[in-house]
Amino acid sequence: LAKTTQPISMDSYEGQEVNITCSHNNIATNDYITWYQQFPSQGPRFIIQGYKTKVTNEVASLFIPADRKSSTLSLPRVSLSDTAVYYCLVVAFVGSQGNLIFGKGTKLSVKP
Amino acid sequence: DTGVSQNPRHKITKRGQNVTFRCDPISEHNRLYWYRQTLGQGPEFLTYFQNEAQLEKSRLLSDRFSAERPKGSFSTLEIQRTEQGDSAMYLCASSPTGSTEAFFGQGTRLTVV
Repeated sequence: LAKTTQPISMDSYEGQEVNITCSHNNIATNDYITWYQQFPSQGPRFIIQGYKTKVTNEVASLFIPADRKSSTLSLPRVSLSDTAVYYCLVVAFVGSQGNLIFGKGTKLSVKP
Repeated sequence: DTGVSQNPRHKITKRGQNVTFRCDPISEHNRLYWYRQTLGQGPEFLTYFQNEAQLEKSRLLSDRFSAERPKGSFSTLEIQRTEQGDSAMYLCASSPTGSTEAFFGQGTRLTVV
């Protein structure tokens, strides 16, 4: 399983764009990059998934360079409610195989 | 369908007692995961099922932990002879096969006293 590395914490202010980078140097061909968000006392929630280039949804954008050894989650114009822990996962799904392994995540604190 | 349901939400038990948690996944989700989470840490993988088959079990999981999903629907996680170190939030998640989007329940918070 590819190991991921991301900053332990980040601070931001309301209205700013936040970029959280994740390193996954050993990513395999069949691996997808997935990000989850977790608020205190709740289970993680899926945000976005990508394989290469750029993916955008109503919540965030995910940028993946050609070598796929890293990825960047971009949160536009954050608000206080975006304060949470963000997890980067590298997931392989081949047939019935695959698992979701979480690291320690990045604790994002958004200040007014 | 109201999502993944876990029961009980809270459990306080004395050290040495057995406890069992239940997870009802989203209907027709083939995959079911169990995690344990302590304060300040990410969810720690325990085990996961594809339908009724237990495909992987963490090597960190001692023999006191066992999980079942007998009919490929709900799952139970049992901890025998609980220890204080078992105090944690136990999370269940489900997903369709081939999807990285897992849906988590609210968790069961276990306190061993």
